[in-house]
Amino acid sequence: DGGITQSPKYLFRKEGQNVTLSCEQNLNHDAMYWYRQDPGQGLRLIYYSQIVNDFQKGDIAEGYSVSREKKESFPLTVTSAQKNPTAFYLCASSMMGGSSTGELFFGEGSRLTVL
Amino acid sequence: SQKIEQNSEALNIQEGKTATLTCNYTNYSPAYLQWYRQDPGRGPVFLLLIRENEKEKRKERLKVTFDTTLKQSLFHITASQPADSATYLCAPGGSYIPTFGRGTSLIVHP
Repeated sequence: DGGITQSPKYLFRKEGQNVTLSCEQNLNHDAMYWYRQDPGQGLRLIYYSQIVNDFQKGDIAEGYSVSREKKESFPLTVTSAQKNPTAFYLCASSMMGGSSTGELFFGEGSRLTVL
Repeated sequence: SQKIEQNSEALNIQEGKTATLTCNYTNYSPAYLQWYRQDPGRGPVFLLLIRENEKEKRKERLKVTFDTTLKQSLFHITASQPADSATYLCAPGGSYIPTFGRGTSLIVHP
């Protein structure tokens, strides 16, 4: 089945540790995105990538890093510089160009808790 | 700055009634608007898209309108059911990187 997979679903981290959230898609989508969601809040864009080996900062990129070495994969690292990392993280992908309307396909999310 | 605004208050309605959710946008000229549903602890799921040249779009019990003059989209669920309870999000489409408002929480009471 085609889809987008995030792992782990739940993650606990001690302060000062970096953690990496995985996002893999087999939809052959060009674009991939990372969003953060806090309780009762909307989705805020962290980073996005429209092509392999290229990515752009979103609205809240500070304290995060990404890579896009393969079309299928867009991992997010939450660094120790992120002051308030406890949140629900969502990865998404979409087609681009042509007749595409760019609808997003989301993963099931990763919930990060800092102890 | 560009902004998406949706009803910040939860919408409570009785089963069988029509739910109407609002999405207003500022400083966008989207070629289309997308609507998503999000259940607690899950990723959003795409529902419907309406283009700027379409006044109305329907899919089963869902209806979306798009008024480019008012810069507003309305999302209707007719004959609502408790299973429709969720948060609904809108996002502008076209040449924009997808951004979302807070969404509107809909609660349908039996």
